[in-house]
Amino acid sequence: ETGVTQSPTHLIKTRGQQVTLRCSSQSGHNTVSWYQQALGQGPQFIFQYYREEENGRGNFPPRFSGLQFPNYSSELNVNALELDDSALYLCASSLGGLAGAAVNEQFFGPGTRLTVL
Amino acid sequence: EDKVVQSPLSLVVHEGDTVTLNCSYEVTNFRSLLWYKQEKKAPTFLFMLTSSGIEKKSGRLSSILDKKELFSILNITATQTGDSAIYLCAVYQGGSEKLVFGKGTKLTVNP
Repeated sequence: ETGVTQSPTHLIKTRGQQVTLRCSSQSGHNTVSWYQQALGQGPQFIFQYYREEENGRGNFPPRFSGLQFPNYSSELNVNALELDDSALYLCASSLGGLAGAAVNEQFFGPGTRLTVL
Repeated sequence: EDKVVQSPLSLVVHEGDTVTLNCSYEVTNFRSLLWYKQEKKAPTFLFMLTSSGIEKKSGRLSSILDKKELFSILNITATQTGDSAIYLCAVYQGGSEKLVFGKGTKLTVNP
């Protein structure tokens, strides 16, 4: 069974630039969720993708956008980077189902550490 | 506003001690409560709790949920230095399909 992988591991960008982070979900999983974890904080939910559609979104501005591909891998794009975007970005995969499904154990990838200068 | 509050935020103990980590929550449309251990980057799954009063155990770790009082505890007995980590509590919220995390408890186990 292949676990959740993310790339790149680390990234340094400057304010105003754009970044794309990638996530491959665990084998058999069809749902990917993205979280931002600032230093000393718990992860904050950005959004979730289920079968290539956005399935929920947290309190993040529209410059945070995403995609999910037919193989269930996913991208997180952030435009117009700000200093406060510096954080660990975590991707989690799970096996989602119809609304109300109880299967919600999420497995996390190793994260991408983004530094914005 | 949905929130998950963990206490204490930080804890230092000696090997062999028993610790209890607390998690209280106010989250609408509760589905389940999850505990994760985060050592360097990826949070690793420990427990998922959906029913009140049923203890889940894995080796020296155990956890229980009280849905009436809206809290959970994570117990670690006979702590080891390898237990040093941040322990995260999260509530899975139906409808939004998101995990609402607490800030975590940083546990340090000294030899």
